[in-house]
Amino acid sequence: AQSVTQLDSQVPVFEEAPVELRCNYSSSVSVYLFWYVQYPNQGLQLLLKYLSGSTLVKGINGFEAEFNKSQTSFHLRKPSVHISDTAEYVCAVSENRDDKIIFGKGTRLHILP
Amino acid sequence: DTAVSQTPKYLVTQMGNDKSIKCEQNLGHDTMYWYKQDSKKFLKIMFSYNNKELIINETVPNRFSPKSPDKAHLNLHINSLELGDSAVYFCASSHGGSGYTFGSGTRLTVV
Repeated sequence: AQSVTQLDSQVPVFEEAPVELRCNYSSSVSVYLFWYVQYPNQGLQLLLKYLSGSTLVKGINGFEAEFNKSQTSFHLRKPSVHISDTAEYVCAVSENRDDKIIFGKGTRLHILP
Repeated sequence: DTAVSQTPKYLVTQMGNDKSIKCEQNLGHDTMYWYKQDSKKFLKIMFSYNNKELIINETVPNRFSPKSPDKAHLNLHINSLELGDSAVYFCASSHGGSGYTFGSGTRLTVV
């Protein structure tokens, strides 16, 4: 069965510094990978997704992620963060389109002034 | 227009009561879901419906009963509410691998 691991529960970063949020998954078959963002008291919003093709995926708000099959990772990056990026970031995996998505436990990105 | 809308946004109720949460999507998606987000922010799937048919039913107490009158609606009814049911419940919909579109959540507090 697939699973998602986000080792960092919180990541503090200074404003305008780069950030990488780590995500590793386990699955015995090909997967689809997602990153969602959850702002305080709001629902989840899709940041980006990997379904097939180029392993470097660009999303909204300047975020990008790279799918690495050999390392079973899908880390999220942004070259320069802003205060408005303060949120919970959740990595997710599914084994089939329209199959259930398994979510990681999330990483809280805390931007320091 | 809100793509996936849930009502109510907040629900405070006493133990033992029965309550319902409604969800509607106007995206034309075929599949709808209910997820529970606990106090540690972990999202866990509860149910999934495809074209009004139940396709995923995780280990959830049978006090929880989903109902899908049509593919645009998926409601969640909870009987005999318990303290441990307090959480945020999210509805979502999807179609063809486009990723999920989530509602803004219903914060249920059982006192």
